[in-house]
Amino acid sequence: AQSVSQHNHHVILSEAASLELGCNYSYGGTVNLFWYVQYPGQHLQLLLKYFSGDPLVKGIKGFEAEFIKSKFSFNLRKPSVQWSDTAEYFCAVNGGNYGQNFVFGPGTRLSVLP
Amino acid sequence: DTAVSQTPKYLVTQMGNDKSIKCEQNLGHDTMYWYKQDSKKFLKIMFSYNNKELIINETVPNRFSPKSPDKAHLNLHINSLELGDSAVYFCASSQAGEQYFGPGTRLTVT
Repeated sequence: AQSVSQHNHHVILSEAASLELGCNYSYGGTVNLFWYVQYPGQHLQLLLKYFSGDPLVKGIKGFEAEFIKSKFSFNLRKPSVQWSDTAEYFCAVNGGNYGQNFVFGPGTRLSVLP
Repeated sequence: DTAVSQTPKYLVTQMGNDKSIKCEQNLGHDTMYWYKQDSKKFLKIMFSYNNKELIINETVPNRFSPKSPDKAHLNLHINSLELGDSAVYFCASSQAGEQYFGPGTRLTVT
């Protein structure tokens, strides 16, 4: 069965600090990988996705993630966070070939202090 | 136009009642989902439908019954509501491996 773990439950940073949120998954086959963001009181929005090709993917709002197959990891990064990045971040995986079963990690809460 | 919409946005009800949440997507997607997000923000899949047919049915009490009248709609009916059903319920749709979420329905059972 697929599973997703996220390293940190709650991360607190000051504005302009660099961010890295860890994500590891467990799945034996080809995977598609996603990062979603949930701003307070809102629904989940797609930040970025990896299906195939260049393992370094760039998303919206200056976020990027790197897929390292050997480590089963898909860590999210941003060089300089802003107060408006305060949100819950979810890593998710589904099976390749446009699989329909999405498995989400437990989420990491990011608090950015002004 | 909203891609995935849900109604109602908020639902407050008493234990033992029966309630429904509606979801509609105008993206032309074949697959729709219901997720439950608890107070700790943990997101758990409940059901998935592909072209009106149930394809994923996680361990969910049979008080929860999804209904898909057509591939653009996936409604969730809940019988005999319990305190533990209080959560935010998200509908989503997907196509080509990418998923889009609705705004959520915050259900509070008192």
